Amino acid sequence: GAVVSQHPSRVICKSGTSVKIECRSLDFQATTMFWYRQFPKKSLMLMATSNEGSKATYEQGVEKDKFLINHASLTLSTLTVTSAHPEDSSFYICSARDRRLAGTDTQYFGPGTRLTVL
Amino acid sequence: DAKTTQPTSMDCAEGRAANLPCNHSTISGNEYVYWYRQIHSQGPQYIIHGLKNNETNEMASLIITEDRKSSTLILPHATLRDTAVYYCIVRVARNTPLVFGKGTRLSVIA
Repeated sequence: GAVVSQHPSRVICKSGTSVKIECRSLDFQATTMFWYRQFPKKSLMLMATSNEGSKATYEQGVEKDKFLINHASLTLSTLTVTSAHPEDSSFYICSARDRRLAGTDTQYFGPGTRLTVL
Repeated sequence: DAKTTQPTSMDCAEGRAANLPCNHSTISGNEYVYWYRQIHSQGPQYIIHGLKNNETNEMASLIITEDRKSSTLILPHATLRDTAVYYCIVRVARNTPLVFGKGTRLSVIA
């Protein structure tokens, strides 16, 4: 399957600082990427859809000014958590849509980034 | 996208087949059935997907009933490394992102 990477894998930061998480599709171009977050023992929750060259689409309840998404190229999307607070501590996972196979549309996921805000 | 129902948890003996059921009684004709799994503290891993025919790959087999209202993911010879949460997701291809339910926690026991 396709490979999606994330960096960093884990980050610890102080409250009030901003943290940037990168998501890359390594062996395919992804016009669409997705950002999810996951709290302990909970399922993944979709935060936003990131489209290359255009503004991201955020899910209801997700603050677009707090979670800045940039999708500047076909292989890179970034999520910046601005002015992070302890309640932003979570597991953030990106996903990229691979459309190379005709008639299908499979999402591949990165390994996730664990954010801890002190 | 249609809603899915999965058992909360299942156990399976190592080396035996693991059969994970999923109900999707409201599935529509253009919706695919996708299976992913998530091993602890990792991103979800794609397993398999299908529309109406049974599918098989190197990881698993997907059996979809003729009326498409339910499906079963089969891991033919479960190993300890197959312990994970397995998600059955129904969605229209090319249009919408995956929306995750609670999944089934599979524990493979030695």
